[in-house]
Amino acid sequence: ETGVTQSPTHLIKTRGQQVTLRCSSQSGHNTVSWYQQALGQGPQFIFQYYREEENGRGNFPPRFSGLQFPNYSSELNVNALELDDSALYLCASSFGIPYSYEQYFGPGTRLTVT
Amino acid sequence: KQEVTQIPAALSVPEGENLVLNCSFTDSAIYNLQWFRQDPGKGLTSLLLIQSSQREQTSGRLNASLDKSSGRSTLYIAASQPGDSATYLCAVIRSGGGADGLTFGKGTHLIIQP
Repeated sequence: ETGVTQSPTHLIKTRGQQVTLRCSSQSGHNTVSWYQQALGQGPQFIFQYYREEENGRGNFPPRFSGLQFPNYSSELNVNALELDDSALYLCASSFGIPYSYEQYFGPGTRLTVT
Repeated sequence: KQEVTQIPAALSVPEGENLVLNCSFTDSAIYNLQWFRQDPGKGLTSLLLIQSSQREQTSGRLNASLDKSSGRSTLYIAASQPGDSATYLCAVIRSGGGADGLTFGKGTHLIIQP
């Protein structure tokens, strides 16, 4: 059974640029969530996709957007990068009705905005 | 708005001790509570999930309890080992299908001294 994978591992971008982060769900999982974790803080919920549709969203501006593909992999896109977007971005997958089941996290993508 | 607090923020104990990590949440209308472990710069590893109807879960040397009415959970680690050193995070998810994702505490940074 393949776990949750994310790419790239690390990324350095300049303020104002755009970035795309990728996530492959654990085999059999149909729900993907994205979280932002600033240094020394707990992860903050960005949004969730269930069967290719956004199912819920945290307190993040519209420049944070996402996609889920038929194979349940997912992308997180961030436009007009700001210095405060520097963080560890975590993807989590689960199966079934959203929120019912245990969420499994990937290793994360470390984004640095300069 | 759900808030999760973890006490203590940091803990350092000698190897072999039993220890308790605390988690409290402000809104008792939760669907489940999950405990995670995070190594420096890494993703989250799920340790235990407790459904709202359950009182506790056990896995090896770990035991997690849940008192939903008082908004508290504890993670008990028996016979601690240096390999247990990590940050431990608890997270809750709201019941009723709310699109909030997991709400995390800031974590307890645990150091087990050899």
